[in-house]
Amino acid sequence: AQTVTQSQPEMSVQEAETVTLSCTYDTSESDYYLFWYKQPPSRQMILVIRQEAYKQQNATENRFSVNFQKAAKSFSLKISDSQLGDAAMYFCAFSDSNYQLIWGAGTKLIIKP
Amino acid sequence: EPEVTQTPSHQVTQMGQEVILRCVPISNHLYFYWYRQILGQKVEFLVSFYNNEISEKSEIFDDQFSVERPDGSNFTLKIRSTKLEDSAMYFCASTGTDSYEQYFGPGTRLTVT
Repeated sequence: AQTVTQSQPEMSVQEAETVTLSCTYDTSESDYYLFWYKQPPSRQMILVIRQEAYKQQNATENRFSVNFQKAAKSFSLKISDSQLGDAAMYFCAFSDSNYQLIWGAGTKLIIKP
Repeated sequence: EPEVTQTPSHQVTQMGQEVILRCVPISNHLYFYWYRQILGQKVEFLVSFYNNEISEKSEIFDDQFSVERPDGSNFTLKIRSTKLEDSAMYFCASTGTDSYEQYFGPGTRLTVT
């Protein structure tokens, strides 16, 4: 069975600094998708970034980028120039050909002004 | 931009009562999902739905749960006899045929007393 592990329950970073959130997963599939979702206090689930496993190039979206290491089954999220509005729970999620999302436990990101 | 909507935003019900949570997926999407998130815990997959039938369901999705697409727009989750442990945030999501990205609704907070 696929699993997603986020080993950091909470991370804090100074405003304008860079922070990296860790995620590892386990699967026997070769074709799958990985996502980072942001959940602010409103509890809305917002897609931050996505990565197709067949792509070697790491995905980037403005200040957000990933370090995808397929052999190591690692998918970390880097947030550059952290802003107060980045404070939220961040969830790593995995999807295979069935498209159901398997979620990590989440990392609470605190931004210090 | 099209979005997934969910009603109500908050539902309070007594143990043993039936509840129906409603979702309107994005209009040209064909795959629909329900997830739940118990407060402070990870998001859990409940069920996926395609072509008017369940395509995948988790162990959580037992006989007290059912899903339906009663018309061309709504996608509902029914809980027949609610239990205290059903208290959670319930998210609906949908996907088009040309994408694996799931678009989430804002969620319905269900409180069972």
